[in-house]
Amino acid sequence: DTGVSQNPRHKITKRGQNVTFRCDPISEHNRLYWYRQTLGQGPEFLTYFQNEAQLEKSRLLSDRFSAERPKGSFSTLEIQRTEQGDSAMYLCASSGVRADTQYFGPGTRLTVL
Amino acid sequence: AQTVTQSQPEMSVQEAETVTLSCTYDTSESDYYLFWYKQPPSRQMILVIRQEAYKQQNATENRFSVNFQKAAKSFSLKISDSQLGDAAMYFCAHSGGSNYKLTFGKGTLLTVNP
Repeated sequence: DTGVSQNPRHKITKRGQNVTFRCDPISEHNRLYWYRQTLGQGPEFLTYFQNEAQLEKSRLLSDRFSAERPKGSFSTLEIQRTEQGDSAMYLCASSGVRADTQYFGPGTRLTVL
Repeated sequence: AQTVTQSQPEMSVQEAETVTLSCTYDTSESDYYLFWYKQPPSRQMILVIRQEAYKQQNATENRFSVNFQKAAKSFSLKISDSQLGDAAMYFCAHSGGSNYKLTFGKGTLLTVNP
């Protein structure tokens, strides 16, 4: 059990560029969540997968955001045409047999210039 | 909709002393869970303690314990014998429903003074 991993840890991009983040959940965890955390705030829910199925998306997830979890393993979060307001920490979490308890990765910090 | 409120943006405690962090919540779920997570500076979110709402007994994990008052929708965290390593942002969170998504408060920044 190596924990939830996320890559890259930091990403700096220019406004209008596309970025993609990856999350590898704890092995055999079937639920995977994405959250966004801005400075001074608690994380906010973005989207949730059970196995490969994306079951819920927040209103925060605009059309520029897309997430996938092919084969129910790792997940990717893509942001198209980034805006300065997208600057935040993007957190991934997973849960397994105890579905109510989520374990977080270290996050990807995005800075949009 | 679920909401979580942490009314203390910052708290401080002397090393070896006890501190209590406050949290209130509102929920439409009949079956739910409450959590305290710790986020040290520039480090990842760590689960501190978990409480199942249907259990009356307060959860305890070593120096960490909660005071869960279901009727009052209150869920406070007590840290005993505070250590320098306890310094972090502490988030109270709620999950419920079939998706178990977490709703977080804004956090309380805990400083531990030597």
